Amino acid sequence: AQKITQTQPGMFVQEKEAVTLDCTYDTSDQSYGLFWYKQPSSGEMIFLIYQGSYDEQNATEGRYSLNFQKARKSANLVISASQLGDSAMYFCAMRETSWYSSASKIIFGSGTRLSIRP
Amino acid sequence: DAEITQSPRHKITETGRQVTLACHQTWNHNNMFWYRQDLGHGLRLIHYSYGVQDTNKGEVSDGYSVSRSNTEDLPLTLESAASSQTSVYFCASSEGAQETQYFGPGTRLLVL
Repeated sequence: AQKITQTQPGMFVQEKEAVTLDCTYDTSDQSYGLFWYKQPSSGEMIFLIYQGSYDEQNATEGRYSLNFQKARKSANLVISASQLGDSAMYFCAMRETSWYSSASKIIFGSGTRLSIRP
Repeated sequence: DAEITQSPRHKITETGRQVTLACHQTWNHNNMFWYRQDLGHGLRLIHYSYGVQDTNKGEVSDGYSVSRSNTEDLPLTLESAASSQTSVYFCASSEGAQETQYFGPGTRLLVL
């Protein structure tokens, strides 16, 4: 069965440093998608970045990049030059694709709480 | 601007009562999803819909139901609320199979 694992329940990082949040996944599908969402203390879920399983280049969105290592089944989120506003819960997620359906659903990891120190 | 809204944002109810949480999106997305979020579990899928009149059970569907009578709305009903259903509930929508899911602001439900 598909599974997402985030092994870091919490992390503390100094402001302006880069930070890597780990995510490993397990799937037998050849076609899948990987996402990262941010959940600040206000509670909303904010989409950050997406990586398709067939994308050859790592996805980047501003200060966010996804370090995609397909053979290792990892999809780590890298935040460059961290800011105080990056303090939040971060969820890694994977889209399951059903062969019989045009749509799909997402499964989530348990999250990593990132705290940025000034 | 297109958006996805949930109401109410906060709800307190008693065990045994029927509760309905609303989700409305103006993206015109075909796919809509309900999740619950509990400490230590991340988000877990309750029900989902790929279009009007289509509903499917997710990972934790017991005690919940949904109906999809139009594209914009997917209300979630707790048939007989239980304390174990105290949680934060998120609605999400996406356009197609490869599309990102966008989330509503969440509903915090307390069942006493």
